[in-house]
Amino acid sequence: SQQGEEDPQALSIQEGENATMNCSYKTSINNLQWYRQNSGRGLVHLILIRSNEREKHSGRLRVTLDTSKKSSSLLITASRAADTASYFCAPSYAGNMLTFGGGTRLMVKP
Amino acid sequence: DGGITQSPKYLFRKEGQNVTLSCEQNLNHDAMYWYRQDPGQGLRLIYYSQIVNDFQKGDIAEGYSVSREKKESFPLTVTSAQKNPTAFYLCASSIDLSAGKETQYFGPGTRLLVL
Repeated sequence: SQQGEEDPQALSIQEGENATMNCSYKTSINNLQWYRQNSGRGLVHLILIRSNEREKHSGRLRVTLDTSKKSSSLLITASRAADTASYFCAPSYAGNMLTFGGGTRLMVKP
Repeated sequence: DGGITQSPKYLFRKEGQNVTLSCEQNLNHDAMYWYRQDPGQGLRLIYYSQIVNDFQKGDIAEGYSVSREKKESFPLTVTSAQKNPTAFYLCASSIDLSAGKETQYFGPGTRLLVL
């Protein structure tokens, strides 16, 4: 399967702490995206990082990409209860449709 | 209010019954997609369409059918041949197929349950 694999599968932290989620993938990518899904809702695109980029920021989100290790990480700083959701990585391979991993379920306790 | 709408939010299917899930977008996107999501799992692609009157099978098309008669609409029919239809179904769209490899916009989903 070409889909990414997120780690950990579940993460529970206190409000104000940072949350780090990791994604590993199998072959060379064009880009990698992170999406968020609130319970019982659709996915929302958070951020895209291209294969020639190493780090990208968007508000409290920081994404890194290590193509040598075929991995990416999503860091949410100063987490809030509203950040409670599932987070999915989606590696984009040339010639293939987008694939989604199983996700990391994040719970932020107030 | 632009976006993607899916209806109904919940759908119940009886044994041997075909059911149709609606997906409408007013984003003027050419490409549309249907995904299936099972508990604790990622999304699996059922069908996608890059333009009106054209659609392609995804990874798990068996037991499903689609049509794309209008740019705005991409309904999914779950047929009686789909033996395990209970899942959360998500519709998505993108400007075109190429853009869909960078950003997809998702509807709120339809949860299908078997009676």
